[in-house]
Amino acid sequence: GENVEQHPSTLSVQEGDSAVIKCTYSDSASNYFPWYKQELGKGPQLIIDIRSNVGEKKDQRIAVTLNKTAKHFSLHITETQPEDSAVYFCAASIGIKAAGNKLTFGGGTRVLVKP
Amino acid sequence: DTGVSQDPRHKITKRGQNVTFRCDPISEHNRLYWYRQTLGQGPEFLTYFQNEAQLEKSRLLSDRFSAERPKGSFSTLEIQRTEQGDSAMYLCASSSFDRHSDVLTFGAGSRLTVL
Repeated sequence: GENVEQHPSTLSVQEGDSAVIKCTYSDSASNYFPWYKQELGKGPQLIIDIRSNVGEKKDQRIAVTLNKTAKHFSLHITETQPEDSAVYFCAASIGIKAAGNKLTFGGGTRVLVKP
Repeated sequence: DTGVSQDPRHKITKRGQNVTFRCDPISEHNRLYWYRQTLGQGPEFLTYFQNEAQLEKSRLLSDRFSAERPKGSFSTLEIQRTEQGDSAMYLCASSSFDRHSDVLTFGAGSRLTVL
């Protein structure tokens, strides 16, 4: 089955700096890669996702890049703000409509943005 | 659209007792997923439904676990004869197969503590 590795496990940045989280996956059939943000006491919230036919996607201060050959994808947060402090999870799935979208998650990255 | 609702949010029980969690998905979503998240880890897939049909179960779902979605709307996850190893956050997510089939929306979770 799919295995997703995520690094680093913790990340501390100064407000205004950039944060980068990296993930690798094992199953070359995976074609859907979402990123979730989880705040204390809450469920994971989708912040951005990318599909295998796209190499990069941006949404305001957040961007995700995908390298299918190397089987890795990354989350970039620019101009970090204290409210970006949370645990971030990457995930991967085959995403076949008929088979359901079972996500395999990485271990998470705890991001702390220091004011 | 009130999002995915889970109840109860917290449950403390003694080993050997049975517990049941309820999930109310987003109303137009026909797919419903259960995940388990232990402390410091990413969520792990347990099972999913399309309408009332349970289409896949993870090997993590032992015989003590049963999930139902009788009318294709809300779902319940029951754990019988709880063990301390069952202590975790149980997350429910839903998605719409007909439109954005890959995008899972998670609830806030039900935290189980087994003493």
